[in-house]
Amino acid sequence: DAGVIQSPRHEVTEMGQEVTLRCKPISGHNSLFWYRQTMMRGLELLIYFNNNVPIDDSGMPEDRFSAKMPNASFSTLKIQPSEPRDSAVYFCASSLGPTNRELFFGEGSRLTVL
Amino acid sequence: DAKTTQPPSMDCAEGRAANLPCNHSTISGNEYVYWYRQIHSQGPQYIIHGLKNNETNEMASLIITEDRKSSTLILPHATLRDTAVYYCIVRVSRSNSGYALNFGKGTSLLVTP
Repeated sequence: DAGVIQSPRHEVTEMGQEVTLRCKPISGHNSLFWYRQTMMRGLELLIYFNNNVPIDDSGMPEDRFSAKMPNASFSTLKIQPSEPRDSAVYFCASSLGPTNRELFFGEGSRLTVL
Repeated sequence: DAKTTQPPSMDCAEGRAANLPCNHSTISGNEYVYWYRQIHSQGPQYIIHGLKNNETNEMASLIITEDRKSSTLILPHATLRDTAVYYCIVRVSRSNSGYALNFGKGTSLLVTP
């Protein structure tokens, strides 16, 4: 299995631009999670989906952030407009189901907003 | 939410056992303790989890105190590749539809030659 696949691995953009991060979960996994990691705040949960339905988005920082999961094999995290404080590594993770105990993480997308 | 407390950093000599402590004094009776680790520039990796009994797998052992207020992750023979940040997490139930894991700052373990 290829594992959780994220793209792009690195993104450098200017303040005000739209950023779209992509994630392909492991085939057969029904839960998908988006996390953000910074030095100051550590690893924070942004949102998670079960069976393509958003369950908890209380970690999404503000309206500039949105996440979608149009099907079981694809999810996006969009930031519009981006700001320098959004610079972080964004991780996507998936698990077999809502009560499964093991999360599999992707390699992350490193975002730099200038 | 049950909160966890871990030391920010620890050292361990290669070949020795690494014992990583975690306090979770507000844990509820049905909440599991999870351990993950994150090697530099990679995504976190699952290690082990437990409820109240001690657990062991090919990676590590997990010792949970009888009152469940603390636990210890043991890497029996640490290698240089075990240098990583180790996260102790108590599973948080967010809704009837499932749960999420809230990672704290973890313990940065440095294994030295």
